[in-house]
This record gives sequence, C-alpha cells and structure tokens, in this order.
Amino acid sequence: GAGVSQSPSNKVTEKGKDVELRCDPISGHTALYWYRQRLGQGLEFLIYFQGNSAPDKSGLPSDRFSAERTGESVSTLTIQRTQQEDSAVYLCASRPGGSGNEQFFGPGTRLTVL
Amino acid sequence: EDQVTQSPEALRLQEGESSSLNCSYTVSGLRGLFWYRQDPGKGPEFLFTLYSAGEEKEKERLKATLTKKESFLHITAPKPEDSATYLCAVQAPRNTDKLIFGTGTRLQVFP
Repeated sequence: GAGVSQSPSNKVTEKGKDVELRCDPISGHTALYWYRQRLGQGLEFLIYFQGNSAPDKSGLPSDRFSAERTGESVSTLTIQRTQQEDSAVYLCASRPGGSGNEQFFGPGTRLTVL
Repeated sequence: EDQVTQSPEALRLQEGESSSLNCSYTVSGLRGLFWYRQDPGKGPEFLFTLYSAGEEKEKERLKATLTKKESFLHITAPKPEDSATYLCAVQAPRNTDKLIFGTGTRLQVFP
C-alpha cells in the first residue's frame, strides 16, 4: 500500500516568509509525528498527534511553529516569519493504533531559507 | 535527561568484512529501542524494534541485540547496497510517543 507522503519535496523561501508543509499519513494510522533533521544532526521531535488532538507539542521550537491535523488524515506544519536557522529537512511519520510502536516515515520536505 | 549516543560516526568496510554499530542510551524506563536505515535524500526506513534486555532480531545480514545500557547492530558479510546511515532511537515511558534519536552511523561498504 501507499506510504507516508509529504509535499512539497523541496521548498526554497526568503527569510520572513511563511511556509506550509503537508503530510499525508498511511491510511488508517491514528498517530502522526513531525520531526526536524538539521544537516549532520539527529532527528528532533516537534509534535505528536493522536487523531486530531496534540498531546505533546513540547518539541516546537518557538511560537512561529504550529501544526494542525484534520481528523485522522492530513497534517500541516506551518512556520511563520521563517529564519535561516529553520533550514532543515522536515519529516513526518505515522503509526497505526493498537500495540505496534513502529513509526513509518515519509520522504521529508527539504526547507531552505535564504 | 534521555539521551542516545551512536558510535562510530562513520564506518568504512570492505565487502564481506563484518562489523558492529553501537547505540548507548540513557532513559528512565525503556518502552522500546528502534533501528532505522536512512539513504541520502530519503526518510528513515524501519528495521527493528527491541523491547527488553537479551532480545535479538535478525533481517538478512543484520542482527540487532539489546542490553540494559546499549544496543548493537551487527552486519555480517556486508554488501555495497548496505551502505546507508543507520539511526538508533528510544521511546521513553512518558505521556508521549516521541522517539529520541542518536545522530547515526554512516556506513560505507566498498566492493
């Protein structure tokens, strides 16, 4: 079946502009996660959704970052007033409900802020 | 603070030369330890989950093992197509499902 998809695959923007990144999880997966991967660094957790509620937003770096999810479907990560330090690959993952803990990742969106 | 440290940062092997990658972790109560493979420009691909000390899992040339403080990913007779970055992550038993990742080991296998 189809995996996690993300769009766009690449985004180049100017400092100060807002960007929206989209994630389509695997159909039926109730949990959805956003991570950030800066060059040469490990993945950093940003936010976790169970259904359309967000029990853990502890990884969002500032109030410029926000995310929402529609039901158990699409999620959008919005970064307002982008800064150069926001440049990174933004990865989305989803997990089915039940006992399985494995998270399945999408290909990521590479964001470059000039 | 929950932490994951992977070593070495980079590893170069000749095809057929077996070796091991290390993942040391500090976490207050482990719910699970995960291994992923990441190819350049792609998202991480799930390999294994380990839940308790002594557990082992195998897939083709890869075998993952777990102790109370670390995990090893053993690669037996690697091939060039095994070249990738291997990521280790832990899940802590708090009111969250987040994974805490190490920075990875970049493996290159030469023919």
